[in-house]
Amino acid sequence: ETGVTQSPTHLIKTRGQQVTLRCSSQSGHNTVSWYQQALGQGPQFIFQYYREEENGRGNFPPRFSGLQFPNYSSELNVNALELDDSALYLCASSRSSSGSLHEQFFGPGTRLTVL
Amino acid sequence: DAKTTQPPSMDCAEGRAANLPCNHSTISGNEYVYWYRQIHSQGPQYIIHGLKNNETNEMASLIITEDRKSSTLILPHATLRDTAVYYCIVSGDNAGNMLTFGGGTRLMVKP
Repeated sequence: ETGVTQSPTHLIKTRGQQVTLRCSSQSGHNTVSWYQQALGQGPQFIFQYYREEENGRGNFPPRFSGLQFPNYSSELNVNALELDDSALYLCASSRSSSGSLHEQFFGPGTRLTVL
Repeated sequence: DAKTTQPPSMDCAEGRAANLPCNHSTISGNEYVYWYRQIHSQGPQYIIHGLKNNETNEMASLIITEDRKSSTLILPHATLRDTAVYYCIVSGDNAGNMLTFGGGTRLMVKP
């Protein structure tokens, strides 16, 4: 059983550019959540995808968008990058979007630097 | 979601129990308490969660006060590998997938 994987591990972009981050969920998991972690702070929930639909969203602007594919892998897209978007972006997968299964499994993250 | 308050840092001697406190005085009746930890340069790792009752698993024990306004995570025999930032999170999301982490407690386990 493979864990959650993310690509790339590091990325450097300039202001105004667009970026796509990728996540492969753990085998058997159908729900993916994305988080942003600024340096020295805790992760902040961006959004969740379940069965290819956005199923919940945190306090992030529309330029943060995502996709989930039939194999449950996911992408996070950020348009019009700003300096404050520099952060570690974490993907987490779980077995269900509701019910008693409360454990999320996190990937190692993608470190995005915006110059 | 209710907010939590944790001490920014704590030390613990190797082999001793580590008791990490968390205050969540505004918690609602349907909100769960979750604990995750993050070891340097890794993604967070789930530890345990609870609603009202105390919980125990192979990693830790969670003690929730009767009024649910605070909780304590107990690592019974801390090792050097338990050095990490520990996050206490309260959430009404019934699957625990939409969590907003606070600042956490940086636990340093010392030999």
